[in-house]
Amino acid sequence: EPEVTQTPSHQVTQMGQEVILRCVPISNHLYFYWYRQILGQKVEFLVSFYNNEISEKSEIFDDQFSVERPDGSNFTLKIRSTKLEDSAMYFCASSGGARTSPYGYTFGSGTRLTVV
Amino acid sequence: AQSVTQLGSHVSVSEGALVLLRCNYSSSVPPYLFWYVQYPNQGLQLLLKYTSAATLVKGINGFEAEFKKSETSFHLTKPSAHMSDAAEYFCAVSDRGSGTYKYIFGTGTRLKVLA
Repeated sequence: EPEVTQTPSHQVTQMGQEVILRCVPISNHLYFYWYRQILGQKVEFLVSFYNNEISEKSEIFDDQFSVERPDGSNFTLKIRSTKLEDSAMYFCASSGGARTSPYGYTFGSGTRLTVV
Repeated sequence: AQSVTQLGSHVSVSEGALVLLRCNYSSSVPPYLFWYVQYPNQGLQLLLKYTSAATLVKGINGFEAEFKKSETSFHLTKPSAHMSDAAEYFCAVSDRGSGTYKYIFGTGTRLKVLA
């Protein structure tokens, strides 16, 4: 079964550093997403991406965040200057291929980001 | 605006007992609804989804959920709990008309199964 792959599984970074979280969505999917889950809390929408542009973003997704699909296979989330409160599990998801509904997500296994 | 309410952040059941995890939604249009399970230190696994076909939806691992429009509910049930069902369960809603297909998640219910 096709999977969404996220790397790395764990990342520790110092406050103020830039971090890039990487995702390889399912190859024929058209919609891409990032969600985050702060420890012990609910999963929150960050951003959706379609046709090489952001289609919606939440208030969490401020100027410190950016997304990119640089080469047609990877989908990255960049945090420019990390803060302690960015520590969370970040989930990538993709949906919507030729025969699948855009509502039918496949989530990756997540990247746990720890900012120290 | 969409929202999801999961009643009970922690639920404990005995092995073999009925599992009932509650989810109520608020949506301006008929929604799509989902239940996900998260095992410790793992990702989100889809249990089942409602997309306007049958109101009783069967999922994996013996779980099912019933969409009740009059009650704006989508409760998750399993007739007989197993130890392996211990996990966190999230209900999510997606507005059909949003155009971006984002999910709004509930706060989750941690299920504990007692031997």
